[in-house]
Amino acid sequence: EVQLVDSGGGLVQPGRSLRLSCAASGFTFDDYAMHWVRQGPGKGLEWVSGISWNSGSIAYADSVKGRFTISRDNAKNSLYLQMNSLRAEDTAFYYCVKATSPHHLSPIFDYWGQGTLVTVSS
Amino acid sequence: DIVMTQSPDSLTVSLGERATINCKSSHSLLFSSNNKNYLAWYQQKPGQPPKLLIYWASTRESGVPDRFSGSGSGTDFTLTISSLQAEDVAVYYCQQYYSTPPYTFGQGTKLEI
Repeated sequence: EVQLVDSGGGLVQPGRSLRLSCAASGFTFDDYAMHWVRQGPGKGLEWVSGISWNSGSIAYADSVKGRFTISRDNAKNSLYLQMNSLRAEDTAFYYCVKATSPHHLSPIFDYWGQGTLVTVSS
Repeated sequence: DIVMTQSPDSLTVSLGERATINCKSSHSLLFSSNNKNYLAWYQQKPGQPPKLLIYWASTRESGVPDRFSGSGSGTDFTLTISSLQAEDVAVYYCQQYYSTPPYTFGQGTKLEI
């Protein structure tokens, strides 16, 4: 059974940093691209970032480019999102998402973690 | 960026009746080289993450009941639930995965009974 366990969320002040983690199991992690998708409280879905199976290709939404860094450790079956210079508008549930292909382009999101809540507030 | 617009924003349908949700894209999602539409549908129940229902506009994900169907091509797509069940109450999102990022979602349609 595919499992994605998101963690690392919490309350953080504007301008500070936070690192999210996602522990994957139940599938061959290094065969697939992975993504982060976020959802503001009571709002819709926004794709944040994606990384290919071997970390060779990475993409970000314009809203987080230069502030967020996605990475993965295939030996640990883990995905990460380093979030710097956080803003109030980054407040959201962050979902770790598995894609159906090795490359981050044209992703179909077939499995989602439960999400971890990031609240940016003073 | 490709903008996805869903209609209606909310929908009330009786049990056993048909529900239809529309999704319009600002750019054609039909890739001519493979004749595939890069469009997916997700269902999100309260307190849960989204769940993949349909991809390539009309291919049902494994385990999804056959009362769910997707149709359309180019810029106009439809998700149909043929006979609404109580467990189908959710918010439904379309998503385009055409070409390069960002991969954008519709604003969501809330389906109620």
